[in-house]
Amino acid sequence: SAVISQKPSRDICQRGTSLTIQCQVDSQVTMMFWYRQQPGQSLTLIATANQGSEATYESGFVIDKFPISRPNLTFSTLTVSNMSPEDSSIYLCSVGGGQTGELFFGEGSRLTVL
Amino acid sequence: RKEVEQDPGPFNVPEGATVAFNCTYSNSASQSFFWYRQDCRKEPKLLMSVYSSGNEDGRFTAQLNRASQYISLLIRDSKLSDSATYLCVVNGITGRRALTFGSGTRLQVQP
Repeated sequence: SAVISQKPSRDICQRGTSLTIQCQVDSQVTMMFWYRQQPGQSLTLIATANQGSEATYESGFVIDKFPISRPNLTFSTLTVSNMSPEDSSIYLCSVGGGQTGELFFGEGSRLTVL
Repeated sequence: RKEVEQDPGPFNVPEGATVAFNCTYSNSASQSFFWYRQDCRKEPKLLMSVYSSGNEDGRFTAQLNRASQYISLLIRDSKLSDSATYLCVVNGITGRRALTFGSGTRLQVQP
């Protein structure tokens, strides 16, 4: 298993600003995943954060809007840039997956953009 | 077409009822299949994996039909504590470790 801490747990932001979400894992992992869960929706993968290389983004998500850092094997950040109300969502960091299927999630960062 | 499709529900059932959830997936190359559970305002957690031969864990039975690209979850003797959203999850492509989530089926078990 893995213990994942995310900060902030929630925030209210103004349109046009940016917010950086931090994710800390209690063990070294090769890949970290960033998901978004919009109100009433399921999880959508934003990108995979790889240590030592650029993040891999899913269709519909771009680096300029969601820059990701992965400075070491236990930490990653996701920035939501130039926010609009449509970015209001829960952002979740996770590790694991693969054939075992068990993803471990942080408790999420609930973002509200006014 | 969504990669993973589920009936959103909600399913409202009395305690003790048997309830079944269905899920279809679009990528025939998908190799691994799972059911996750998400409680309100909480992160998702793995409920069980789904194997080709079908598998059971207590009151929960999962089945996979690769030919029809169909996954099911059966809950017997429902408890109030089973109330949650159940997410069908697929690992789509060899070597890609990220998972694809269905939109979830909400279950409300009533006394």
